[in-house]
Amino acid sequence: NAGVTQTPKFQVLKTGQSMTLQCAQDMNHNSMYWYRQDPGMGLRLIYYSASEGTTDKGEVPNGYNVSRLNKREFSLRLESAAPSQTSVYFCASTQGKTEAFFGQGTRLTVV
Amino acid sequence: GNSVTQMEGPVTLSEEAFLTINCTYTATGYPSLFWYVQYPGEGLQLLLKATKADDKGSNKGFEATYRKETTSFHLEKGSVQVSDSAVYFCALLSGSARQLTFGSGTQLTVLP
Repeated sequence: NAGVTQTPKFQVLKTGQSMTLQCAQDMNHNSMYWYRQDPGMGLRLIYYSASEGTTDKGEVPNGYNVSRLNKREFSLRLESAAPSQTSVYFCASTQGKTEAFFGQGTRLTVV
Repeated sequence: GNSVTQMEGPVTLSEEAFLTINCTYTATGYPSLFWYVQYPGEGLQLLLKATKADDKGSNKGFEATYRKETTSFHLEKGSVQVSDSAVYFCALLSGSARQLTFGSGTQLTVLP
């Protein structure tokens, strides 16, 4: 039972490059989330998707786009990476009032 | 909107000391409440949860009670161990969009 799978685990980008972070869950959850975690800042919500075909902005959406490709997959895209986007990114999913399950994270460095 | 306010850290305790990490929340409706733990270099793991008022969540010696009257969900453990050293996050899940909101996290260090 894989749960929530994120790829890649590590990535180094140059300023201005683009990339997509992938997330997939195999628990048939409706809701999925993307967070970034920075030292001393806790987890900040970038985007979330309450169901297939819907997405909404969170606290820090600027510089990011998302796609809820189907019920399983929720990708996060950086169109033009900036050093301020250096962070650890977590994907999560939930169903109903149950707990959120998290991926292992993607450590992104933008140089 | 929803929000979670968590006791600021870092918190440093000696082994076998009593632990309390305060958490209060603001939310519409009847949220579910959670405590997550993050060990160094890892993702977040669910520690315990409560889905309605007066529920007590417990796991690995940790406890928290959902107090609707004080909008609180404080984490407690009677005797901490070195292996409990980690970052602890309080969180709530609420709303028709199932929005998941986290506190800022509390770093706990337990010394032998």
